[in-house]
Amino acid sequence: NAGVMQNPRHLVRRRGQEARLRCSPMKGHSHVYWYRQLPEEGLKFMVYLQKENIIDESGMPKERFSAEFPKEGPSILRIQQVVRGDSAAYFCASSSTGDSSYEQYFGPGTRLTVT
Amino acid sequence: DQQVKQNSPSLSVQEGRISILNCDYTNSMFDYFLWYKKYPAEGPTFLISISSIKDKNEDGRFTVFLNKSAKHLSLHIVPSQPGDSAVYFCAATSSGSARQLTFGSGTQLTVLP
Repeated sequence: NAGVMQNPRHLVRRRGQEARLRCSPMKGHSHVYWYRQLPEEGLKFMVYLQKENIIDESGMPKERFSAEFPKEGPSILRIQQVVRGDSAAYFCASSSTGDSSYEQYFGPGTRLTVT
Repeated sequence: DQQVKQNSPSLSVQEGRISILNCDYTNSMFDYFLWYKKYPAEGPTFLISISSIKDKNEDGRFTVFLNKSAKHLSLHIVPSQPGDSAVYFCAATSSGSARQLTFGSGTQLTVLP
């Protein structure tokens, strides 16, 4: 499967726990983006990363949320001390460099439920 | 402030007819536009894109039209098929930005057999 991989697909956490969402980009893609979709809304940009660098985190909540894309391994979106309002679908996307670099390809998403 | 707007939350068309989905934007810095299709419990699937240097781009049954002066774009699907039933999102970005996509709220298209 050469597409964007996300795991887990579903994640249930109690309030106050930590959530870790993983994303492996498409083969050959070096740009990773995280988006969040709240119920009945469109997708909202959170963060844009390249290997070992956060390029733009203007959409990330200032507290409890962090993201990384290490030299080896998947990108991780980490949410500490989750609250009910964090319940949403979190999508990862990746893109290449070059002429088609504006086209982002999405993974299946992780649906986070906070109880 | 919603910079990308899809004012029709839903649209129903008969199989074989044309589906026209509309999108408006307010940010003059946007210069690249994309359409995505999304099925429930799946991620968005890229359909077609257009650069602001063009006013039309076609790919099979899908055509996107861009009217820069009106800050309006539309997606035409012809002929529509039942498998096209999904939520369609319009997205925009700026070549001067860090490539983040700004999405509209989506239009649920239902193609009736």
